[in-house]
Amino acid sequence: SQKIEQNSEALNIQEGKTATLTCNYTNYSPAYLQWYRQDPGRGPVFLLLIRENEKEKRKERLKVTFDTTLKQSLFHITASQPADSATYLCALDISGNNRLAFGKGNQVVVIP
Amino acid sequence: DTAVSQTPKYLVTQMGNDKSIKCEQNLGHDTMYWYKQDSKKFLKIMFSYNNKELIINETVPNRFSPKSPDKAHLNLHINSLELGDSAVYFCASSVQGGYTFGSGTRLTVV
Repeated sequence: SQKIEQNSEALNIQEGKTATLTCNYTNYSPAYLQWYRQDPGRGPVFLLLIRENEKEKRKERLKVTFDTTLKQSLFHITASQPADSATYLCALDISGNNRLAFGKGNQVVVIP
Repeated sequence: DTAVSQTPKYLVTQMGNDKSIKCEQNLGHDTMYWYKQDSKKFLKIMFSYNNKELIINETVPNRFSPKSPDKAHLNLHINSLELGDSAVYFCASSVQGGYTFGSGTRLTVV
């Protein structure tokens, strides 16, 4: 069956360190993968998109990698800050027409 | 100036009632979506419209009926509400790539 898996346990990290989140998927061949941030009571906010032919993408303190052989994406927040505390969702384009399937998300808590 | 706006933000209603949620986007995007986020925070697509035409209709009970009067609006009507319909419903829009989501409608069926 098709699955998108993110760690269900919250990641607690000290301010200033790098937070790394993992998104694994099975039985999909996405043309691209996206990462979103969701705060409590709010809708997800788009952060980054990485295509299947791209290995790495950066935006400010965020970095995403995409390994289509391992079927895995890593999401890094460098120099983490308490304001980075949120749930981060990965999403795959599963049909080629921008239809996204989402993982359940991984909560990050940055401790001052 | 809200890009994707949904109303109402909260909706509490009794089982068996019919209710609607409205969504409007001012981004000029061609495609709009409805997603459901359940109590386990799992976001699942329900419907997708492109230029007022339905292009995705997931396995959703036919009590749920989307309507798109124009490409800036996508409303969701729900008939005969059930307890299991309680969730947060998100509207989103996109052109290509990243989605822009609304702030959600928390539906509670009692």
